Amino acid sequence: SQKIEQNSEALNIQEGKTATLTCNYTNYSPAYLQWYRQDPGRGPVFLLLIRENEKEKRKERLKVTFDTTLKQSLFHITASQPADSATYLCAPIFSGGYNKLIFGAGTRLAVHP
Amino acid sequence: SQTIHQWPATLVQPVGSPLSLECTVEGTSNPNLYWYRQAAGRGLQLLFYSVGIGQISSEVPQNLSASRPQDRQFILSSKKLLLSDSGFYLCAWSPVGRADETQYFGPGTRLLVL
Repeated sequence: SQKIEQNSEALNIQEGKTATLTCNYTNYSPAYLQWYRQDPGRGPVFLLLIRENEKEKRKERLKVTFDTTLKQSLFHITASQPADSATYLCAPIFSGGYNKLIFGAGTRLAVHP
Repeated sequence: SQTIHQWPATLVQPVGSPLSLECTVEGTSNPNLYWYRQAAGRGLQLLFYSVGIGQISSEVPQNLSASRPQDRQFILSSKKLLLSDSGFYLCAWSPVGRADETQYFGPGTRLLVL
């Protein structure tokens, strides 16, 4: 079955540094991969989508890479701020009869002043 | 613009009691609709999805059911709650016809079964 792995331990970084979160997937080849942000007690919010033929995607301070050979996506936040503290979910799309997102458990990011 | 509503925000129910959670979407037509459950520290588990009125697909066997009585209304129900039904329930919608499945989530309902 499809499996999504994200670092279960929280990532603690200093304000102004670059945060890098990892998402690995196994047993399938997604055509799209999405990243969402989730704050405590709230629903996830869509951030970025990257397609299998795109190596990199940027949006303001966010950057996502997609390596279909390694079956891995990296999510970067540059010049991090305390307001970036949240859980970040990786969601590669699975196309088996119909398209659906399979969500990882997420990595909690804490940016300290 | 599109908005998605869920209620109630929080619910405490005894084991064996019924459940009804409601989700409505505004500002779009014929959306794909989803129900997810998120246990503490876990990922989102897809429970049901719907591509149209009366069209419901179940992802996992359980004592929950879903219905879509109107185009933009999605209801999650149970006849008898179990302790294991506790969790954070999220409704989401996605625009029809898009292959990338970008989804927009509601605020969620926190359910505690005692």
